[in-house]
Order: sequence, then C-alpha cells, then structure tokens
Amino acid sequence: SAVISQKPSRDICQRGTSLTIQCQVDSQVTMMFWYRQQPGQSLTLIATANQGSEATYESGFVIDKFPISRPNLTFSTLTVSNMSPEDSSIYLCSGGQSFYEQYFGPGTRLTVT
Amino acid sequence: RKEVEQDPGPFNVPEGATVAFNCTYSNSASQSFFWYRQDCRKEPKLLMSVYSSGNEDGRFTAQLNRASQYISLLIRDSKLSDSATYLCVVSGDYKLSFGAGTTVTVRA
Repeated sequence: SAVISQKPSRDICQRGTSLTIQCQVDSQVTMMFWYRQQPGQSLTLIATANQGSEATYESGFVIDKFPISRPNLTFSTLTVSNMSPEDSSIYLCSGGQSFYEQYFGPGTRLTVT
Repeated sequence: RKEVEQDPGPFNVPEGATVAFNCTYSNSASQSFFWYRQDCRKEPKLLMSVYSSGNEDGRFTAQLNRASQYISLLIRDSKLSDSATYLCVVSGDYKLSFGAGTTVTVRA
C-alpha cells in the first residue's frame, strides 16, 4: 500500500489566480493520477502524471489550465491556473504500482470566489 | 451515456438488515472491477475487488455479470459503521472510471 498526503488541505482563492497542489507519496509508485470530484458526483480523471515527461490529459482537460509536474516517483504537483468559480471542487491525487491499484490522498478542497 | 451508472440511493436500513445495490457499466472491454468506499468528506478507499466468479469478504459479497454488464454489492448484518457512499469502479484504457456512488445509511 501507499500513504499519500496533499497540501494544502483546503484553500479559498480569488478568480484569476492560480493554486498549486502538492502530492507526496511515502514510497515510490509507478503511477500517479489527478482527479476532480464535485459534491455528489463521481471522480473525474484529469490526467495521469508521468515521471519525467508530460502528463497525459483526459478529454476536456488541457495542460495550459492544469499543468502537472512529476519530477520523481514520490511527488507530483497540479496547478489550477486562472481560476474561476467553476473550478471550485475537491482535487484528489492517487498513486499506486498500476492503474488498477490506486491509493488516494485526502484531497484539496478548493473554493474560488 | 456515463461509463459507470449507479443508483444514488440513499438506502436507509436498520442495523442488522441486508442491503444490496448494483451498478452498470458501458465498456464491454472492461477487465477489472472494484467497489470503493468513501466516507463523508474523506478520500475513497478500496473495499474489494470483484471477480468473475463472485467473491465474499466478511459481510460483503460482490457479484459480476459480464453478459449484462452489471456489478452488485450486498452487505449482510449491516453495522452503523457501514454508513458511507459506495463507489463502483471499472477499469479500461489504463485508467479507472468511477460511478457517482450509492449512499447507504444504517440506523440504530
């Protein structure tokens, strides 16, 4: 298993600004992912964070809006750029040795005003 | 059509009751299936994998019907601590697809 931490746990941001969320895993993992979850809704995959290369984005998500870094096998960041109220959501990081073995971080609750 | 669809509930049941619910998935090529549990304002955690032959883990029984593309979860002898949202999860194309969850509330 893997233990995943995220920072910050929550934030309130003004529209037009950017926020970078950090995800730290307590052991090396092959796969890391970023999700968004809005209240009462399912988790939506934003992208797969690839170590040492550009992230793989899902339909509807673009690098300019959600740049992702993954410098090593235990750490990744997601930036939410030029925020609008529609970006208010919970952002979750997950990691594991394969895409079907994922452990989740506690999430970052973002409110954009 | 959503990739994974679930009855959102809520299912309100008394302690000791049996509760069961399903989910359906659209991708017939999906290979792996899971139930995750998500407590209020917490992250999802793996409850159990679902195997073709069906499997049990204590009071929890999962079934898979590939022909009809649905997965079920049954909870026997419900406990107060079983109150949570249960997420149906299906793998495909090197990623997981999550249902919106079925909320179960067990009352004393």
